Amino acid sequence: EDQVTQSPEALRLQEGESSSLNCSYTVSGLRGLFWYRQDPGKGPEFLFTLYSAGEEKEKERLKATLTKKESFLHITAPKPEDSATYLCAVRRPGTPLVFGKGTRLSVIA
Amino acid sequence: GAGVSQSPSNKVTEKGKDVELRCDPISGHTALYWYRQSLGQGLEFLIYFQGNSAPDKSGLPSDRFSAERTGGSVSTLTIQRTQQEDSAVYLCASSLRRGPTDTQYFGPGTRLTVL
Repeated sequence: EDQVTQSPEALRLQEGESSSLNCSYTVSGLRGLFWYRQDPGKGPEFLFTLYSAGEEKEKERLKATLTKKESFLHITAPKPEDSATYLCAVRRPGTPLVFGKGTRLSVIA
Repeated sequence: GAGVSQSPSNKVTEKGKDVELRCDPISGHTALYWYRQSLGQGLEFLIYFQGNSAPDKSGLPSDRFSAERTGGSVSTLTIQRTQQEDSAVYLCASSLRRGPTDTQYFGPGTRLTVL
């Protein structure tokens, strides 16, 4: 059974304090690992897709990396507006996305 | 262009009543998905439509749940005889196609509360 585990469940950072969020997965034949950001009361907003181990993608203060067992979302010098829940999801051929429960990030000014 | 839209944004109903939730996907997107997000839980897949193919209903939790997609565009999720455990946020997503590179874009969700 495909599984996605995100850690930590919640993370509180001071503004400018860099850190990483983890997404561990067990899935055979991975066809993509997706990162989304979700603000309270809104639907998930797409951030990145990673397809193969070693791949990296960046967007502003966010950088996503992928290995054969996990993905990291690195946040460099975060700002309060980066506060949100970050969701990780995986898929393999013929299946829907399988989501983790997310990491709630709070960035304090 | 416009993103995925859902209505209503909030729905409060009494136990045993039927509810209908609506999703308007991004224009031109052939794939449409419904998910459920309960408090403290991850997004749970419910049902998926791709073009004119038969829908993938493998995630529907019971036969009280059904969905249809008319004209390859708008979709309606129907929950019959609602129960308190049906309270959740129901999210709709669409993608251009279903393939290894498809990205799902989500709507704002409908928050359903069953009293």
